[in-house]
Amino acid sequence: DAGVTQSPTHLIKTRGQQVTLRCSPISGHKSVSWYQQVLGQGPQFIFQYYEKEERGRGNFPDRFSARQFPNYSSELNVNALLLGDSALYLCASSLASPASNQPQHFGDGTRLSIL
Amino acid sequence: AQRVTQPEKLLSVFKGAPVELKCNYSYSGSPELFWYVQYSRQRLQLLLRHISRESIKGFTADLNKGETSFHLKKPFAQEEDSAMYYCALRVWGGGNKLTFGTGTQLKVEL
Repeated sequence: DAGVTQSPTHLIKTRGQQVTLRCSPISGHKSVSWYQQVLGQGPQFIFQYYEKEERGRGNFPDRFSARQFPNYSSELNVNALLLGDSALYLCASSLASPASNQPQHFGDGTRLSIL
Repeated sequence: AQRVTQPEKLLSVFKGAPVELKCNYSYSGSPELFWYVQYSRQRLQLLLRHISRESIKGFTADLNKGETSFHLKKPFAQEEDSAMYYCALRVWGGGNKLTFGTGTQLKVEL
């Protein structure tokens, strides 16, 4: 089992650009969540998707968007990048519906640096 | 809104000494509490959750609703326990959103 896989591992962008981050959940997992982890802080919830529908959204601006595909993989898009978007972006997957108490499994993350 | 507080950024103990990593939360309902651990160069992984009431790698944590705490404890620290520890909260019926604390770096010295 490869676990949750994220790509790319590192990314460098400049202010104003757009970025797409990708996540493949553990096989059989239908729920995917995205988190932002700024240096020195704990992860902060951005989105949750289940069965291709958004099931939760954190306190992030509309520049952040995401989607989930039929194979349950997911993409996180960030537009009009700001310096403050520099962070580690984590993807987590879980087995079942958001209402269940299944634990989440995290990927290694994508390190995004904004110049 | 819920909040998780880990007051110590760094905790340094000697091998064999007891360990207690503090976690306090604020939430008016019934939360689900977790401890996640991140070893050097590894991904964030679940250590334990309060509903399981089990001991993992010698660590235990008890949810104290009166004190709104979920401290992580181990009677005898080992060198391999050195890692970053995050306390996290999830609201029952609130989906998979985890609210994390800022983390405590545990360093076990020989």
